[in-house]
Amino acid sequence: KNQVEQSPQSLIILEGKNCTLQCNYTVSPFSNLRWYKQDTGRGPVSLTIMTFSENTKSNGRYTATLDADTKQSSLHITASQLSDSASYICVVDSGFQKLVFGTGTRLLVSP
Amino acid sequence: DVKVTQSSRYLVKRTGEKVFLECVQDMDHENMFWYRQDPGLGLRLIYFSYDVKMKEKGDIPEGYSVSREKKERFSLILESASTNQTSMYLCASSSRGGGYGYTFGSGTRLTVV
Repeated sequence: KNQVEQSPQSLIILEGKNCTLQCNYTVSPFSNLRWYKQDTGRGPVSLTIMTFSENTKSNGRYTATLDADTKQSSLHITASQLSDSASYICVVDSGFQKLVFGTGTRLLVSP
Repeated sequence: DVKVTQSSRYLVKRTGEKVFLECVQDMDHENMFWYRQDPGLGLRLIYFSYDVKMKEKGDIPEGYSVSREKKERFSLILESASTNQTSMYLCASSSRGGGYGYTFGSGTRLTVV
């Protein structure tokens, strides 16, 4: 069964600290993996998209990694800010835009 | 800037009412999607459309229908709203090739009472 699992479910960190969110997937075939940020009550916004051949991709303080062999991805947030408080969703595109969504990690950055 | 606009941020409807959720995109995208998002379940695909007047069922189409009369507009219809359809509804669009052009709207929080 195609699945995307994220950990942890929720996380609280102090402002200025770094954190890493995890994503494991069992989706086949694989086209690309995406990370989205979703503020409370809003739609998801794309952070990164990685294809099979890409190991890492950055977007400002966000860096995503992909290990296609182990089917794992991570999202690293550097020097967190209060505005980083949101849910982060890992999504795998299995091709033909059939997306498989994780349930997200809820991050709270505390002052 | 690419935009997907959902007509309402918040909506409260009564059980049994017919409900229309509207979505408009300004990117000339061929593909449009409707999802619902519930706590602990992630996003689930209700219906999608690859072209005008075309529609395909997603994973949870029961209780819903859609309409795509124009390329830029994709409507989700709840024929007879029920309390278990209380949810966050998200519209998305993408170009035919997909990939980087996949964009979500801001969502409609529907409450059925």
